[in-house]
Amino acid sequence: EADIYQTPRYLVIGTGKKITLECSQTMGHDKMYWYQQDPGMELHLIHYSYGVNSTEKGDLSSESTVSRIRTEHFPLTLESARPSHTSQYLCASTKSSGELFFGEGSRLTVL
Amino acid sequence: KNQVEQSPQSLIILEGKNCTLQCNYTVSPFSNLRWYKQDTGRGPVSLTIMTFSENTKSNGRYTATLDADTKQSSLHITASQLSDSASYICVVSDRGSTLGRLYFGRGTQLTVWP
Repeated sequence: EADIYQTPRYLVIGTGKKITLECSQTMGHDKMYWYQQDPGMELHLIHYSYGVNSTEKGDLSSESTVSRIRTEHFPLTLESARPSHTSQYLCASTKSSGELFFGEGSRLTVL
Repeated sequence: KNQVEQSPQSLIILEGKNCTLQCNYTVSPFSNLRWYKQDTGRGPVSLTIMTFSENTKSNGRYTATLDADTKQSSLHITASQLSDSASYICVVSDRGSTLGRLYFGRGTQLTVWP
């Protein structure tokens, strides 16, 4: 069982709202990732972190931001949500370049 | 361009039957290949991870094969069960950086009918 948790699992909000998706892992992993996944499509990397105070943008352009103040915590924030942000967001972590552990995902719907 | 292609896109089989899912990749230099199972509305869960020197790896009723020469992998599911209904995702990692960049396929959606 992977000890990586995402909240909320489901979120429906109006356009223009600020939201934060939470991700926490208790495995002591240094590397953490945020992926965006739309139905029938591959996962796209939007942010990653090698460790505390280290964050980088991924391949997919995203208006979201992330922070890594603590090893176990990697929240993703959207300052002003739009309908185009509607998607599933998956958080993942790994100790090195080995197995990637995923959270259960946060499904965001922006009306 | 590094890519991962999976086939078929979707597959329906009867409970108890076997099936094989395919993954072709062009990622280079190759580091490892992973198969994940993703239930609807859940996060992906790792089934197998294979390095360049491994040809076959099993995990219960799941058996993955890798041909690094032809850059092909398959995932064989034996005696399918209703709980096998899920999306199966092939992920290939390169050696281009310490991080090991990951390339994801779009997945094969498997449905097992009773």
